[in-house]
Amino acid sequence: NAGVTQTPKFRILKIGQSMTLQCTQDMNHNYMYWYRQDPGMGLKLIYYSVGAGITDKGEVPNGYNVSRSTTEDFPLRLELAAPSQTSVYFCASRQGLAGGPTDTQYFGPGTRLTVL
Amino acid sequence: AQSVTQLDSHVSVSEGTPVLLRCNYSSSYSPSLFWYVQHPNKGLQLLLKYTSAATLVKGINGFEAEFKKSETSFHLTKPSAHMSDAAEYFCVVSDSSQAGTALIFGKGTTLSVSS
Repeated sequence: NAGVTQTPKFRILKIGQSMTLQCTQDMNHNYMYWYRQDPGMGLKLIYYSVGAGITDKGEVPNGYNVSRSTTEDFPLRLELAAPSQTSVYFCASRQGLAGGPTDTQYFGPGTRLTVL
Repeated sequence: AQSVTQLDSHVSVSEGTPVLLRCNYSSSYSPSLFWYVQHPNKGLQLLLKYTSAATLVKGINGFEAEFKKSETSFHLTKPSAHMSDAAEYFCVVSDSSQAGTALIFGKGTTLSVSS
């Protein structure tokens, strides 16, 4: 299994441009998440999904959109890039068993985005 | 609301000496707690997790953590530091109040190991 994969690894955007960060997992996990990590901070939740066709906002959703058309893929869309969106973005997934909160979340390697 | 507080932003130790990274949590019910490690320019790796089965949790690379409900703490320890342990460490609680059960991260502790 490749686990959680993210593309691209690095990207520089100009203000107002749009882009999609790709995330794919091959573990047949139900739950998927997008986090952002700012310097000196922990990760903050942007959006999450509990299954195909179901998404919901996290703590910092403004400026982002997501979709979940398949179990494997959970892309994150930035429509009008702003300097405040300069960050490292991590995608994660977990099985979503009855054990619930004790499930391990598996993280992708991250996408480093700079908006100039 | 659940939260975690990492009491030290930076810890420095010498190789071969013990490591202690401190974490306090706040939760209205029995929490699920994790420690993740992030090496420079890398993703996050799970070190260990508390699932209520045992208060002393052993993880990878010789790390362990003890859940103390009376102190609302989940400190991470290692008897002898290695140079390869230098990294960012995150104490994390699982937010069961949300349908998605996302993770809530502390701000992180940078561990430096000198020879």
